[in-house]
Amino acid sequence: DGGITQSPKYLFRKEGQNVTLSCEQNLNHDAMYWYRQDPGQGLRLIYYSQIVNDFQKGDIAEGYSVSREKKESFPLTVTSAQKNPTAFYLCASSQGQGGSPLHFGNGTRLTVT
Amino acid sequence: AQSVTQLGSHVSVSEGALVLLRCNYSSSVPPYLFWYVQYPNQGLQLLLKYTSAATLVKGINGFEAEFKKSETSFHLTKPSAHMSDAAEYFCAVSDPGNTPLVFGKGTRLSVIA
Repeated sequence: DGGITQSPKYLFRKEGQNVTLSCEQNLNHDAMYWYRQDPGQGLRLIYYSQIVNDFQKGDIAEGYSVSREKKESFPLTVTSAQKNPTAFYLCASSQGQGGSPLHFGNGTRLTVT
Repeated sequence: AQSVTQLGSHVSVSEGALVLLRCNYSSSVPPYLFWYVQYPNQGLQLLLKYTSAATLVKGINGFEAEFKKSETSFHLTKPSAHMSDAAEYFCAVSDPGNTPLVFGKGTRLSVIA
């Protein structure tokens, strides 16, 4: 079955360390997205990519970085510059056309102590 | 920029009662509108979407939503709540162009037996 795989499900890191969250899709979608979810704040867009080797900042890109070297992969790195990295991170993909719905992975819960 | 407001961060209904979750958007042109559901520690699942066809949109699990341009609303309803409907619900909007979805802050639905 086609879908989006995020790994790992839970991730623990010490403050000051960079950490990379994996996102892979086999839906042949052009566009991929990273959202951050905090209680009571909904989903906020971190980065998105509409085509390989190109990506745009979302509303809360500071302290994060991404790459899009392959169509099916869109890893997110949470750097030590991110002041409050503990959150639930959701990756999504879509066909990229206006009105296309997002398909979500099951998320990675990152805890930084 | 697009924005979406969900009235009520928490809604509680009795099993068998009507479910009404409210969503208002800000847009000068008819946008694309979506409702998603999220169960604990999972990703989001598409319930339904409006893309300028019929104003009454039917989704999965017995949910439906009505697009009202004059009220800039897209409220989600279900005639009879079931225990399995307990989850968090998100309204999302995007412009007619190829722009990322903007999500509301979510409404947590509780169903009381």
